[in-house]
Amino acid sequence: QLQLQESGPGLVKPSETLSLTCTVSGGSISSGYYRWGWIRQPPGKGLEWIGDIYLSGSTYYNPSLKSRVTISIDTSKNQFSLKLSSVTAADTAVYYCMRRVGSSSNRDCWGQGTLVTVSS
Amino acid sequence: QSALAQPASVSGSPGQSITISCTGTSSDIGAYNYVSWYQQHPGRDPKPIIYDVSNRPSGVSNRFSGSKSGNTATLTISGLQAEDEADYYCNSYTTSDTWVFGGGTTLTVL
Repeated sequence: QLQLQESGPGLVKPSETLSLTCTVSGGSISSGYYRWGWIRQPPGKGLEWIGDIYLSGSTYYNPSLKSRVTISIDTSKNQFSLKLSSVTAADTAVYYCMRRVGSSSNRDCWGQGTLVTVSS
Repeated sequence: QSALAQPASVSGSPGQSITISCTGTSSDIGAYNYVSWYQQHPGRDPKPIIYDVSNRPSGVSNRFSGSKSGNTATLTISGLQAEDEADYYCNSYTTSDTWVFGGGTTLTVL
């Protein structure tokens, strides 16, 4: 059974870079059939799509975050990663990694989510 | 990109049916059949309940159904139960190769 697990610092200082990794187990990240991505949810607020990455390395980002976001994939480690630069308190959120079936809106597997707090 | 428009709250009595609308534009909901819905209970992670407008993931009750007309998608919950009380979010693909969420709707079961 496929599982996704987010990892990374739970506390990041303002102006620094938030870095999270999603480790895929129970299956291969190398299937071109799936897309891999990140969604976040600030405390008490709604869901926000951050971006997706395809096996080819093609990336798609939320326009409001595009200048600060980088998503990458490492097939050798069966992982994909999120970097968000120049963070502020507004970036405090639960960050979820997930898998989406290609040519579909079916996000069929999610990580458990990890809370990242931006504070000095 | 602008968020999809959802009512802030809806309510219904047990056994009733309710609908939650999600209104977008011809650049998102109206352009593709890539609309999904998520249920989130307080303090819990979001759970997918509908994808591609009207498909249910395995294990989701058939009391949940989805539809789309023009630029508006609709989630219908029939035979309302107390356990359905939660927040619901819609999500759509856009012509800019991005995804946009609705602001969320809180369902109260009276």
